[in-house]
Amino acid sequence: GAVVSQHPSWVICKSGTSVKIECRSLDFQATTMFWYRQFPKQSLMLMATSNEGSKATYEQGVEKDKFLINHASLTLSTLTVTSAHPEDSSFYICSARAVRGHTFGSGTRLTVV
Amino acid sequence: QKEVEQNSGPLSVPEGAIASLNCTYSDRGSQSFFWYRQYSGKSPELIMFIYSNGDKEDGRFTAQLNKASQYVSLLIRDSQPSDSATYLCAVNRGGNQFYFGTGTSLTVIP
Repeated sequence: GAVVSQHPSWVICKSGTSVKIECRSLDFQATTMFWYRQFPKQSLMLMATSNEGSKATYEQGVEKDKFLINHASLTLSTLTVTSAHPEDSSFYICSARAVRGHTFGSGTRLTVV
Repeated sequence: QKEVEQNSGPLSVPEGAIASLNCTYSDRGSQSFFWYRQYSGKSPELIMFIYSNGDKEDGRFTAQLNKASQYVSLLIRDSQPSDSATYLCAVNRGGNQFYFGTGTSLTVIP
């Protein structure tokens, strides 16, 4: 089945630094990748939609200059959290449209200290 | 009005009972419907999808879709403690974007 590999699974960084999260579709081409954020005991919140070779579409309230998304190939999309702050600590999950529904990456637990 | 609404719960059922999870959606033109299970600290995993009115069964899981009433439900028979998780309903209106509900927390009590 369709698999999305997401790395790293967890990361701890200092406030003010940047963190890059990668998502790769392993056995299919993901022309569109979705990036979600999930705070504890809350549902998935769509942050942005990235399309291969074009600019990402950000949801209202999501700072595009802070959350940089690159989708340079059909199998790789990256999310960079720039100048991270403690309030950015969250669970970040990517997903791609596969034949049957969305396939999710395993998620990245980001902790900013 | 939210695209997809779910009762947040928590829903508690005894082991062996039937757990019933419900979801309503706002766009009558929605085409496909999905149920995901999410364990704490993990990403969602697809349980079932349904496109047509009626019931669709897969093992202990049954998805029910009623487009006229704009609701989709998930029944879990013979509930097990391992079924304890948050269940997310998702709706696709066509195209790539999915709309997720806020999830229903299910606890199966041994």
